[in-house]
Amino acid sequence: KNEVEQSPQNLTAQEGEFITINCSYSVGISALHWLQQHPGGGIVSLFMLSSGKKKHGRLIATINIQEKHSSLHITASHPRDSAVYICAVRNSGGGADGLTFGKGTHLIIQP
Amino acid sequence: DAGVTQSPTHLIKTRGQHVTLRCSPISGHKSVSWYQQVLGQGPQFIFQYYEKEERGRGNFPDRFSARQFPNYSSELNVNALLLGDSALYLCASSLLAGKTGELFFGEGSRLTVL
Repeated sequence: KNEVEQSPQNLTAQEGEFITINCSYSVGISALHWLQQHPGGGIVSLFMLSSGKKKHGRLIATINIQEKHSSLHITASHPRDSAVYICAVRNSGGGADGLTFGKGTHLIIQP
Repeated sequence: DAGVTQSPTHLIKTRGQHVTLRCSPISGHKSVSWYQQVLGQGPQFIFQYYEKEERGRGNFPDRFSARQFPNYSSELNVNALLLGDSALYLCASSLLAGKTGELFFGEGSRLTVL
């Protein structure tokens, strides 16, 4: 079973701060997803990574396969970035072809 | 283009009843997966369907079943509802069933069991 651990669980920061959310997993994966969930419940896919680094606007995601660790960074944070950020991994082995999710990081950006 | 659509958005049932949740994937997407998200927790994988066949199943009891139709839409059925089935049920679609496919999520169906 692949465990996915996120830290921190809760994060409150001031507008403009640089934000880092971490994700660690325990077994081999074929891909790692970073997802954003707003209070209404809908989930938006931010990144899908299998190696290296990706950037989209103010968001940057990195992954270190050897260390089984990924980070999501938000530069120049804004109150509209307030949401739950979820890390999810897809196992590289056999078995159910679904994702294993972390519990999420609840981010609040204060004006 | 429409995204992933789910219905109903909210519903209330009582213990022992049965519920059917529906999902329409993005046009052209052949894979649909279902997830259960209990309040305060991350989602948990329930089922994946691709080309009308079950491709994977998470650790859920047989009260949970699903199917995929020729137009790739999908239904999730839950029988003999328990209080613990209260959750947000999320559907996601992807173009393929492969392990590197990007997922697109619907807004979810929020089920309350009384």
